[in-house]
Amino acid sequence: DTAVSQTPKYLVTQMGNDKSIKCEQNLGHDTMYWYKQDSKKFLKIMFSYNNKELIINETVPNRFSPKSPDKAHLNLHINSLELGDSAVYFCASSLVSGNYGYTFGSGTRLTVV
Amino acid sequence: AQSVTQLDSQVPVFEEAPVELRCNYSSSVSVYLFWYVQYPNQGLQLLLKYLSGSTLVKGINGFEAEFNKSQTSFHLRKPSVHISDTAEYFCAVSALGTDKIIFGKGTRLHILP
Repeated sequence: DTAVSQTPKYLVTQMGNDKSIKCEQNLGHDTMYWYKQDSKKFLKIMFSYNNKELIINETVPNRFSPKSPDKAHLNLHINSLELGDSAVYFCASSLVSGNYGYTFGSGTRLTVV
Repeated sequence: AQSVTQLDSQVPVFEEAPVELRCNYSSSVSVYLFWYVQYPNQGLQLLLKYLSGSTLVKGINGFEAEFNKSQTSFHLRKPSVHISDTAEYFCAVSALGTDKIIFGKGTRLHILP
């Protein structure tokens, strides 16, 4: 069984559309994260949730909205997609604290055309 | 605030030769340190981590890293590389008591036949 699974793996969409990426973990972890990896491979944290509560909210356009229905799921909804949103989005989870390291999903490659 | 500097964006090395990937960090508080590996078109996988104790940390796939507090470094080494080690390697830091892991810009390890 996959520990952290993201869907879809690839997403191609037009500018202005709204899209969602889903993430689920079956590790029993308490904290989940969204990271964005740009074309130069730079990884930047976007959000983190601990047991459905928003903990980290970095400087991200408010077109991005995370939602955590329970501690095993963290979804990312993006409104009015722009060309600059094209990137690979990674979901990750950690047990209690990120200090012990994350388990990453395999990523969602978003391409906005 | 914490930061991570990976001094080399790309490191070419011949197969079966030793390799060292350099990482320096900056922090005003105690930190945990990590190395992650990203194989092409995949998510990130934890190679090793330093939390406390022995400054020499052994990880998966024959990699090891040494924490040097005075030089604020956490360099990654492998005595003999293989073609399968071709990947992007990320050094990362997390301040004690926080959930956020900050990643360096990555070093691409290119194995030459």
